[in-house]
Amino acid sequence: RKEVEQDPGPFNVPEGATVAFNCTYSNSASQSFFWYRQDCRKEPKLLMSVYSSGNEDGRFTAQLNRASQYISLLIRDSKLSDSATYLCVVTLYGQNFVFGPGTRLSVLP
Amino acid sequence: EPEVTQTPSHQVTQMGQEVILRCVPISNHLYFYWYRQILGQKVEFLVSFYNNEISEKSEIFDDQFSVERPDGSNFTLKIRSTKLEDSAMYFCASSESREGYYNEQFFGPGTRLTVL
Repeated sequence: RKEVEQDPGPFNVPEGATVAFNCTYSNSASQSFFWYRQDCRKEPKLLMSVYSSGNEDGRFTAQLNRASQYISLLIRDSKLSDSATYLCVVTLYGQNFVFGPGTRLSVLP
Repeated sequence: EPEVTQTPSHQVTQMGQEVILRCVPISNHLYFYWYRQILGQKVEFLVSFYNNEISEKSEIFDDQFSVERPDGSNFTLKIRSTKLEDSAMYFCASSESREGYYNEQFFGPGTRLTVL
């Protein structure tokens, strides 16, 4: 079983839509969780950390379900500029980041 | 806003040649990393570095690879004898810590390595 799995997409949504991505991880001892976004041929950029209680940053909401070992990202009121690949990242305590393969989002006018 | 920088942005080399990729991490960060991303594939961890020594490395990071912090600012990745399959984007990253808060990693823009 792969360490971090994501639906590769692409998700094609119209502007203004709400879209949700899920990510599952295999190691129940994982401690820290993040969502990064990556534009084509660019570096991953931190979107948000994911906290146990869930957290929100503007149009973006992240949730963590430790029992089911999945993380979600909800984007409300999608903008054209949200088009990117969204990377789920998981890490054990004090160890290296493990990246998921990413979910590609295209927001259409 | 402080950022991680990398040079060169693109490196073309012949198979068997040595390459050195350079990175300047964010100045108050203590932990440094190298990742690679083969075109169309996921980001893969290579190595982490702290207190002037390797703290963790992946299976990819074999004897052909080495890292160094030659001075107070630069962090380098050397590939001794490049292979065709080393062609990838190489990202440097840094973080303030590795656990608890402030363990977010910030990535440089990458060096695209093409091995011919």
